[in-house]
Amino acid sequence: NAGVTQTPKFQVLKTGQSMTLQCAQDMNHEYMSWYRQDPGMGLRLIHYSVGAGITDQGEVPNGYNVSRSTTEDFPLRLLSAAPSQTSVYFCASSWTSGEYNEQFFGPGTRLTVL
Amino acid sequence: AQSVAQPEDQVNVAEGNPLTVKCTYSVSGNPYLFWYVQYPNRGLQFLLKYITGDNLVKGSYGFEAEFNKSQTSFHLKKPSALVSDSALYFCAVRSGTYKYIFGTGTRLKVLA
Repeated sequence: NAGVTQTPKFQVLKTGQSMTLQCAQDMNHEYMSWYRQDPGMGLRLIHYSVGAGITDQGEVPNGYNVSRSTTEDFPLRLLSAAPSQTSVYFCASSWTSGEYNEQFFGPGTRLTVL
Repeated sequence: AQSVAQPEDQVNVAEGNPLTVKCTYSVSGNPYLFWYVQYPNRGLQFLLKYITGDNLVKGSYGFEAEFNKSQTSFHLKKPSALVSDSALYFCAVRSGTYKYIFGTGTRLKVLA
């Protein structure tokens, strides 16, 4: 059981470049989400999904796109990277039912935009 | 709007002493409340949650938290701190939607 995996671990981009952060889970969880972690700001929700084909915006969605074509995968796309997107990005997954809804987090991707 | 406040950036406690990390929240409806811990260069790990039922919730590594509806608080506690408990702790809340709101985190430092 690999849990939640994220690739890459580190990435450096130039302003204006695009890229996709990969996230996969093998627990058959319906819910998946993306967060960014910045000093003094805690974790902020970017996008989330409650199942294949269903996505919705979180607190800070601008500049990011997501899709959910399978239960396992939830990639995050940066359309045109900006220095303000320098951050650590975490993917998480969970069941949606009330009793078992604690999130499992991936190890994170540290992104620097120059 | 949902919100979570962790009023202390850092909490220092001596090893063996009890610890408390504070969290207050604001949601409409019944809250789902969580505590997570983050060790350096790692993702977050689930510690405990309150969904319904007993106000005192027990979790991993000897941690517990008390849900107080009138004070809208969910403070994390441990009777006897260990040096290995030193980490960054996050409180989170979710209400009827699937949007989770996290606090800004509290760094716990346990001194030997």
